[in-house]
Parts: sequence; C-alpha cells; structure tokens
Amino acid sequence: SQQGEEDPQALSIQEGENATMNCSYKTSINNLQWYRQNSGRGLVHLILIRSNEREKHSGRLRVTLDTSKKSSSLLITASRAADTASYFCATGRFSGGYNKLIFGAGTRLAVHP
Amino acid sequence: DTEVTQTPKHLVMGMTNKKSLKCEQHMGHRAMYWYKQKAKKPPELMFVYSYEKLSINESVPSRFSPECPNSSLLNLHLHALQPEDSALYLCASSPGLAGRIGYEQYFGPGTRLTVT
Repeated sequence: SQQGEEDPQALSIQEGENATMNCSYKTSINNLQWYRQNSGRGLVHLILIRSNEREKHSGRLRVTLDTSKKSSSLLITASRAADTASYFCATGRFSGGYNKLIFGAGTRLAVHP
Repeated sequence: DTEVTQTPKHLVMGMTNKKSLKCEQHMGHRAMYWYKQKAKKPPELMFVYSYEKLSINESVPSRFSPECPNSSLLNLHLHALQPEDSALYLCASSPGLAGRIGYEQYFGPGTRLTVT
C-alpha cells in the first residue's frame, strides 16, 4: 500500500534553477527518507529526517518535515543536468517490530542544460 | 565498501524455468530486503531478512522463494513465474531493522527480469 503521495509527478527545469518536490502522507511516522533513482537503476539514499526534526541539509539538498501537516519537501538548489532522476519519499512506520519503509509514487525531475 | 551488488543485471526466463537472483553486501548489515519495482512505479517490499532469518513476507506468491545463506548473501529463487512478474528486482540492506528509529537502506542496481 502506498503511504506517501508526491507532488508534482513530473518537473522540468533549467540548469541552475531550484527544484522543489513535496511529499504528503496519511499516518504517523517515525522517520521520512528521500531517495533518488536514475533511470531503471537502484535507489540512492539522500536524506533521513526523524519525526522530531524539522529541517535537514546535505550539500545542495534541503529537506523539511511538518508532522502537523503530514508533509515533507525536498529542495535541490542550483540544479545540474546530473540531477535528472526520479525522486521518492519513503515513510518509516513502526509495525510488527519492524520499521517499515513505504515509498511514494515519486517525482520525475528533468534538468535541461 | 558501501556497495550492494546484484547478479545478473538482466534475466529472461520462460514460465517453466527455474532461476535465481543473487545479492551481496559486505557492510556488515544485518537486515536485507527484496523489492519489486514495475515501470514508473515505486518499489514494493517483498521480503525482509534480519540476522539471516525471514522476518517479513509481504504476502508474496510462493513462486518467489527467498534464501539467506549467510549474513552477506541474499538469494531469490524463481519458479513458474508469470509474465506479469516481469519487473526490476531490487535488493537492499540496512544496519538492522532499527525498531522505532529507522535506518537508511542501501540499494543494489537491480536485476531486470523479463518473463516470456
């Protein structure tokens, strides 16, 4: 079952612009993670933010989490063509002794040179 | 070494064949996962192993049979698959199952499976 929903489904920008992707979810979580997937390949972990955190940075990435609105955003600043990929949010929920990760539908980002 | 490797990269099999997918990690992780991903869809969890024991089976059909021979290896045995089982099969690992905390997962590049 899909927990997260991402918005937009697809995003097309020029190099140097910022890209913002949003993720909303329905039930309570203990962490939220963002992953990147280049076409048909494995996923790469970007950032994990815990439910008691509001913002995290990693290089050109900034993730925010608003648990009251059940939403998160991923901001990529000064985008590059190499950032072209699908981006998935994944919500972590404790269930049956296990921190289950459920992926959203993803946002397909295209960065044009 | 922060890499998860998967073999083969591509696999074409008939509905009567038996084949296996392999996954290996040398990060000392104690949890390993199999996911299935259809085109333009998110990964869907199939199985979770923790300390070499099957912890989670997400109601996967018995034609998929996982095996964890040791803490570094994870196999997925395939038998009598259907064309709708064609997908990208991803293996992942994490330091543990982490209870209420949660860990990031490290993914392999996947095996692209086509069932004819």
